Amino acid sequence: DVKVTQSSRYLVKRTGEKVFLECVQDMDHENMFWYRQDPGLGLRLIYFSYDVKMKEKGDIPEGYSVSREKKERFSLILESASTNQTSMYLCASSPGLVWETQYFGPGTRLLVL
Amino acid sequence: GQNIDQPTEMTATEGAIVQINCTYQTSGFNGLFWYQQHAGEAPTFLSYNVLDGLEEKGRFSSFLSRSKGYSYLLLKELQMKDSASYLCAVRGGATNKLIFGTGTLLAVQP
Repeated sequence: DVKVTQSSRYLVKRTGEKVFLECVQDMDHENMFWYRQDPGLGLRLIYFSYDVKMKEKGDIPEGYSVSREKKERFSLILESASTNQTSMYLCASSPGLVWETQYFGPGTRLLVL
Repeated sequence: GQNIDQPTEMTATEGAIVQINCTYQTSGFNGLFWYQQHAGEAPTFLSYNVLDGLEEKGRFSSFLSRSKGYSYLLLKELQMKDSASYLCAVRGGATNKLIFGTGTLLAVQP
């Protein structure tokens, strides 16, 4: 079974803090993704990566950065957390083929005070 | 651009059949996915359609019409555990990314 893990299920941070969300997958997938999910807005893509040290902006990259130093690990960084970044963050991975589904981690619910 | 529409909420009765519709607009279509997401959990894969027609998987079936930009997910013999959000997602566009609809929250009642 594919396993995607995220470092925290729940996180509370203060405005202005630097926040790191970690994601690890164990299936040697090329592609990794970070989404945020908000009521009424659905899943929105923040950043994705097709290979180690490679990153591409998604639809809402502002206020975020990412790092992919190893194939299995994809980190999302909030440089200076703001209250509008309170959300559910979901990491996903997939093989490199268009018909392959994405496998999601359990999510991190982040509250920024 | 890309756009996906699905109903916000639906209610159905245990043991019944329910159909959740999804309409989409995209260029360079490379498939449509359905995911199930229980409250507080991650989405899990249900089905994938890239050719027109019906794909059946146990109690769940998914249909695609590419010419109409339309898909539906059919759930038969509904069970209480089927209460969840159902997400329609389309792969396409210039970057071949997955674009998600906002999801349909299905409530199954006794």
